[in-house]
Formats: sequence, C-alpha cells, structure tokens
Amino acid sequence: NAGVTQTPKFQVLKTGQSMTLQCAQDMNHEYMSWYRQDPGMGLRLIHYSVGAGITDQGEVPNGYNVSRSTTEDFPLRLLSAAPSQTSVYFCASSAGTASGNTIYFGEGSWLTVV
Amino acid sequence: AQTVTQSQPEMSVQEAETVTLSCTYDTSENNYYLFWYKQPPSRQMILVIRQEAYKQQNATENRFSVNFQKAAKSFSLKISDSQLGDTAMYFCAFMKQNFNKFYFGSGTKLNVKP
Repeated sequence: NAGVTQTPKFQVLKTGQSMTLQCAQDMNHEYMSWYRQDPGMGLRLIHYSVGAGITDQGEVPNGYNVSRSTTEDFPLRLLSAAPSQTSVYFCASSAGTASGNTIYFGEGSWLTVV
Repeated sequence: AQTVTQSQPEMSVQEAETVTLSCTYDTSENNYYLFWYKQPPSRQMILVIRQEAYKQQNATENRFSVNFQKAAKSFSLKISDSQLGDTAMYFCAFMKQNFNKFYFGSGTKLNVKP
C-alpha cells in the first residue's frame, strides 16, 4: 500500500550540481506530475505526464527535465542546480476520471541549494 | 489561464467552533473540479473534499462541507466542530476536466486554539 513514493526526502546541493528526484507509484496511474512549493505559496506545476513516453511542461519548467519510460516512474532532473530551486518538491499521480480526478501526492522532497 | 485566490492568509478559531475558509477562482471552463487540500506541518498533502462543477449539490465529508457558487466562482470550506488536529495550511485547488493539472491558491493557515 505504498502509493506515491519520493526519494530522497532531504537533499543539500551545491550550486551547479545535478541530481535526480525519484518518484514511483504502484497504483498503475496514467497521470503523473511534479510540483514545487515555495514559502507562502501554493504548489506550482513543473512538468507532467499523461502516460509512458509522453511528457509536457507546466507553469515553471525551466531548469528541470523529466522522462517517463515506464508507467510507474517519473524522475525529475535538475541539470545545474541554482539557489532559486531551493524548495519542497511534490510528485503526484492520478488515474484521471477513473479515480474521480483525485490526485495523490507523495510526502515531498526538501531540496536546499547552497 | 486559471487563477485561484485565497484572500485569508491566516485564521484562528476556538476548538469546537465553526470556521469558513474562502476561495475564489477565475476560469472560462464550464466543466471542472475543485478541491480543498490540508497540509499539516509534516507537509503531507491530504485531500479534504472535492466538488464537481456540474453537480449543484454541495459536497460534504463529515465535519467538512463546501459552499459552491458556480456563477460567483466561489468555493468556500466550512469546518464544523473544529478540532486541534485541524490546525494546518489549507489549499484550494482547481482542475480542468480530464486535464489532471492543478492550479493552487496561496493557502490559508488555520490555527485551532484550545
């Protein structure tokens, strides 16, 4: 009964380093997405995917890459980390209308870029 | 573009009393979904209640209910018999039908006082 699993939960990066935030879901959901949450703000969409092999940009895609090679996994890559990318990152998944369009969130990944 | 506005950054309520959190949104869509999510200090995103725009009846979930006014584009959350565990950030969110992308408000911090 894992749901949406994100790793790592906490990470500190130096400016210019790269890293990948992992996201996996075991609910066979078609839709997956990545959001970031900055202090005092709601979540903003970075990238999303409507199925394996299909990805698209959200509101704030710059500095991030994604891929969706399997239904289960949707990793988020930071190519060259910047202090502006310090945030809490949430992965989410949904079965679309099959789940009443309800989106299920992971527990979040805290990223600090120094 | 869709926008979601929560005009109350912070609210307080006494335990066992009732509180209403406000949310307005802007869209040209006719079919969509609205959600309230709770985010406790752990940062986990917890679905509180959802409303389909095509349903006139207001959604209820135990102590939580909404007042959905489609013409006014208003979606308020009422919490009855407030409990200490209700202390959290509350986010209003909008999703277009079959789109699976959320647009979030900036949140309302609710403090339930003993």
